[in-house]
Amino acid sequence: KNEVEQSPQNLTAQEGEFITINCSYSVGISALHWLQQHPGGGIVSLFMLSSGKKKHGRLIATINIQEKHSSLHITASHPRDSAVYICAVRTKTSYDKVIFGPGTSLSVIP
Amino acid sequence: NAGVMQNPRHLVRRRGQEARLRCSPMKGHSHVYWYRQLPEEGLKFMVYLQKENIIDESGMPKERFSAEFPKEGPSILRIQQVVRGDSAAYFCASSPWTEGSPLHFGNGTRLTVT
Repeated sequence: KNEVEQSPQNLTAQEGEFITINCSYSVGISALHWLQQHPGGGIVSLFMLSSGKKKHGRLIATINIQEKHSSLHITASHPRDSAVYICAVRTKTSYDKVIFGPGTSLSVIP
Repeated sequence: NAGVMQNPRHLVRRRGQEARLRCSPMKGHSHVYWYRQLPEEGLKFMVYLQKENIIDESGMPKERFSAEFPKEGPSILRIQQVVRGDSAAYFCASSPWTEGSPLHFGNGTRLTVT
């Protein structure tokens, strides 16, 4: 079993739809990142969370430390949101080792 | 303040050649991480370095791969005698300290071995 799992693996949505991507993990963490990667592109860090909820524009990220679960929500989705979204956790080792989830490939259709 | 700079963006090497990938962390960042993304796969940790020290290289293949982060200059990921299976995107990230600090990623180097 992978230490960080994401669902769904692939997601196709119509423009304007509300989107949720889930991340669950089995290790102790100090923080969790949500990352965005466009095809052939670099990686952008969207959020770093250690508790609660953060919002940036149309993006909302939440984390429940007790349940070891985080969600990324996109409101009013747009074709430019099409990308791979990656959940990454900073583990509680002697240093912050990062473990990545497998990614969720999102395609938003006009 | 420039972000994490990786170069080259694209690198083509023939089998058996050496590949050198460079990563200049953000100013003030003394922690560098290298990750590899194989085609159609997720990101995998390779190595974590601080200035002049390798902290964790548990993700590095045992042979042909090495990394350094000298006191001056960029971090270098070196792959000797490349093989086709080394073709991947290699990403570098940096942070100012470890616990609780955000990671900043470079745009990656896409290595193609022909």
